Amino acid sequence: DAGVTQSPTHLIKTRGQQVTLRCSPKSGHDTVSWYQQALGQGPQFIFQYYEEEERQRGNFPDRFSGHQFPNYSSELNVNALLLGDSALYLCASSFQGDPTTNEKLFFGSGTQLSVL
Amino acid sequence: LAKTTQPISMDSYEGQEVNITCSHNNIATNDYITWYQQFPSQGPRFIIQGYKTKVTNEVASLFIPADRKSSTLSLPRVSLSDTAVYYCLVGDMQAAGNKLTFGGGTRVLVKP
Repeated sequence: DAGVTQSPTHLIKTRGQQVTLRCSPKSGHDTVSWYQQALGQGPQFIFQYYEEEERQRGNFPDRFSGHQFPNYSSELNVNALLLGDSALYLCASSFQGDPTTNEKLFFGSGTQLSVL
Repeated sequence: LAKTTQPISMDSYEGQEVNITCSHNNIATNDYITWYQQFPSQGPRFIIQGYKTKVTNEVASLFIPADRKSSTLSLPRVSLSDTAVYYCLVGDMQAAGNKLTFGGGTRVLVKP
C-alpha cells in the first residue's frame, strides 16, 4: 500500500518562472492538503482540496493555485516565482468520508524547491 | 483555530524519558490534540492523537488534563533516532475545510 507520493523530489527554478508540483494521496484517502515549509520553520498551510474543490486556504497569494483530479491526486502551481518561495513543499492526505473518526494527516516526503 | 505553545528545544540522553508539554488555552470542544514527528528533509509523521485523559500506543503516551488546556507527549526511553522536531497540533479534522496549523515545534536532541 503506497503512502503519499510527491514528484519531483527536487526542483530548481529561476525568478519569474512557473512550477507545478504533483501529489498522489495514500490509497483510500480523498482529501489533499498542501503545506510550505521554510528552513527551520514549521509547515505552513497553503490550501486543502476535497471533491475537486478548494475547501480552505491559508494566507498565501493568488500566485499559489491548485487542482484536484477525479482520482484524488493533486497539483500545486506557483506562478511568478520569488526567491522567498524556496522551501520544502509538503502534500498531506486524509480521509473525510467517515464523520465518526478524527483522521490523521499522512505526509509525503516533499518537493524541495529552490528559486535562484 | 487553537494556538499552541511549546518549548523551542530540549536535550536528553539515551534511555531517558522525554516529556514535551504543549499549551493550548483556547482549545475548542470538538478539537483533538495530535502530535507529529519530523526528521530533516522528510514530511511529518503521525505519533499520537487524543481528546482527553491518557492515550498510549507503541511509540508514546499522551497525557491530557481535565481542562484540556495543555497536553504532554511522553517518549519513554529515547534513543538517538528519536532526535527530531515534534509538533503539537490542535484542531477538528472533520470540520469542513479544516486547516491544521503547525507551530514552530520542539527540537529534541538525544545525546549518547
